[in-house]
Amino acid sequence: DAGITQSPRHKVTETGTPVTLRCHQTENHRYMYWYRQDPGHGLRLIHYSYGVKDTDKGEVSDGYSVSRSKTEDFLLTLESATSSQTSVYFCATGGAETQYFGPGTRLLVL
Amino acid sequence: GDSVTQMEGPVTLSEEAFLTINCTYTATGYPSLFWYVQYPGEGLQLLLKATKADDKGSNKGFEATYRKETTSFHLEKGSVQVSDSAVYFCALSDPDYKLSFGAGTTVTVRA
Repeated sequence: DAGITQSPRHKVTETGTPVTLRCHQTENHRYMYWYRQDPGHGLRLIHYSYGVKDTDKGEVSDGYSVSRSKTEDFLLTLESATSSQTSVYFCATGGAETQYFGPGTRLLVL
Repeated sequence: GDSVTQMEGPVTLSEEAFLTINCTYTATGYPSLFWYVQYPGEGLQLLLKATKADDKGSNKGFEATYRKETTSFHLEKGSVQVSDSAVYFCALSDPDYKLSFGAGTTVTVRA
């Protein structure tokens, strides 16, 4: 498996506060992705990156921003957290053939 | 846009039973197709994949065949074990390597 870590693994925050989730990979993969997992929806793409400083929006990008200043790190920021952003967030890396997933971050917005 | 529809669960089986999870897709062009598995408390792991029509992906006793004529990629296993209890996701990859997932099917295998 690709070396993918996510931090924090669990977080509880309050509505209106900014939150940043970090994804770190050691495989030098070009592509990185952020998904959210909610019951009945499977995984939905939030943002993705196809290289350093190259990012684009996914299906559910409203309220989220990302940054990628190094190949190995991909940050997801909730600019002002809302209860609807309570979810499990997964980072993935890879590309054409396979995406490898991190262990997930469980976020609760109160 | 691209989409994946998979059989709703939950599915409960006895050990050694036959498992089928249906998956159909809508896409322009010819996407790659995947099955991912998620064990409790973990991230997703690739189970198998197929990149062109009539390809058969297989792994750990699971199989799925890419059927272009029926736009399907059904997952099958002939004899399930308790350790196969998990959530299974069907997915397709678009030309920009973004994945679209089905809603997931929860499978529970009882001893």
